[in-house]
Amino acid sequence: EIVLTQSPATLSLSPGERATLSCRASQSVSSYLAWYQQKPGQAPRLLIYDASNRATGIPARFSGSGSGTDFTLTISSLEPEDFAVYYCQQRSNWPRMYTFGQGTKLEIK
Amino acid sequence: QVQLQESGPGLVKPSGTLSLTCAVSGGSISSSNWWSWVRQPPGKGLEWIGEIYHSGSTNYNPSLKSRVTISVDKSKNQFSLKLSSVTAADTAVYYCAVAANLYNWFDPWGQGTLVTVSS
Repeated sequence: EIVLTQSPATLSLSPGERATLSCRASQSVSSYLAWYQQKPGQAPRLLIYDASNRATGIPARFSGSGSGTDFTLTISSLEPEDFAVYYCQQRSNWPRMYTFGQGTKLEIK
Repeated sequence: QVQLQESGPGLVKPSGTLSLTCAVSGGSISSSNWWSWVRQPPGKGLEWIGEIYHSGSTNYNPSLKSRVTISVDKSKNQFSLKLSSVTAADTAVYYCAVAANLYNWFDPWGQGTLVTVSS
C-alpha cells in the first residue's frame, strides 16, 4: 500500500501570504496525485488532479507541482476563504485502491 | 453534472450492519465511472472504503474488505454500501464519490451522512 505523508500538519499564515503544502509518497505515483480542500461540515472539493491540473472553477492562485514521490500545493496569495484542511490522494493499480494523506490544516495566524 | 446524495440510518447498534445508499442524479450509473464510498471519523482524515463499476466489478480497501459489500442498482440509478460487524470505530461521516474511468481522482462528492455506532 502506498502511504502519503503530508507536511506540515498545521500551517499558520496570514491572508496575502504564500502557502506551500507538501505531500510525499512512499513509492512513485508518477503524476497521478490529486489535491482536495475541505472546509468544516463540507465534503472535500477537488482542486488539482494529475499533480498540476486545476479542476474546473478553481482560482489560478492554486497550483500543483511534482512527480514521482514529492508533490507541492501552492496557494500564491491567501484569501480568507482558503483557510481549510487540504488532502492529497493517489490511486494505485495493484491492488487497485485509493489512499489519502493525513491532511494539512491551514489556519489563520 | 452528476450529483450524489447519501441516505440511510444515522444510528447503528454495535455488531450490526451499516447500510447506506447513494442516489445518482444528472447522469447514469451505467456511464464509464467508478462509484466509491469514502469515510471520515469525527476530527480525522479520509479513508477510502471501496468502489463499484456498473458491471458489478468491485474493489475494496484491504483493511475493510472482510466486512464490506458494495452493490449497484441500475433500475434505481443508485449504489449501496453495507458494512458488517460495526463498532464505535466505524462512527464517521460517509461520503459517496465518483471517479471517471481511467481517471484517478474523485469529482464530485456527495454531501456526506453521519453514521454513529452506539447502543
